[in-house]
Amino acid sequence: EAGVVQSPRYKIIEKKQPVAFWCNPISGHNTLYWYRQNLGQGPELLIRYENEEAVDDSQLPKDRFSAERLKGVDSTLKIQPAELGDSAVYLCASSLDGRASEQYFGPGTRLTVT
Amino acid sequence: GENVEQHPSTLSVQEGDSAVIKCTYSDSASNYFPWYKQELGKRPQLIIDIRSNVGEKKDQRIAVTLNKTAKHFSLHITETQPEDSAVYFCAAHQGAGTALIFGKGTTLSVSS
Repeated sequence: EAGVVQSPRYKIIEKKQPVAFWCNPISGHNTLYWYRQNLGQGPELLIRYENEEAVDDSQLPKDRFSAERLKGVDSTLKIQPAELGDSAVYLCASSLDGRASEQYFGPGTRLTVT
Repeated sequence: GENVEQHPSTLSVQEGDSAVIKCTYSDSASNYFPWYKQELGKRPQLIIDIRSNVGEKKDQRIAVTLNKTAKHFSLHITETQPEDSAVYFCAAHQGAGTALIFGKGTTLSVSS
């Protein structure tokens, strides 16, 4: 079974530029998560999808961050414009559903904003 | 909301020794507690988890214990090996409609 796929793995951009990350969850997993992991910290939730619906986006900085999950499968997370403080690893995870079930992470996208 | 505290932040042991990492949580409604291992530059990998209706779970050299009354849970690794060296994260989940809340991680170093 293929795991969670993310691209790109690394991205370096200048501040004020836009950037987008893509995630393909494990087949059959209805719930998709985007986390941000700062250096030396645990992952922190940005947004959670149940199928195509964003059910928890309370931690998403909506002035510059946006996300979508068209057709309830793949998802894209966008930052526009990026700031220096956005440098982090952006992790996508998926689970069968939103209950207390195992979450599986993708390899992440390491973003560096210069 | 839920808050998860994890200790210690770093742990150094000799190969063959045991390692114990402890976490506390604040919300008694939390009912699922996974542990993730993250090697440098790699994804967090689920290594073991425990649900609130169980007090202990073992999988070969790793075990997790849960004390619901005290609201803490621990990861135990026996007969540590150099390949156990990584950052370990605990997390707590409150069930449907919520997300995992992670601790800040423990960097485990196993020297041979």
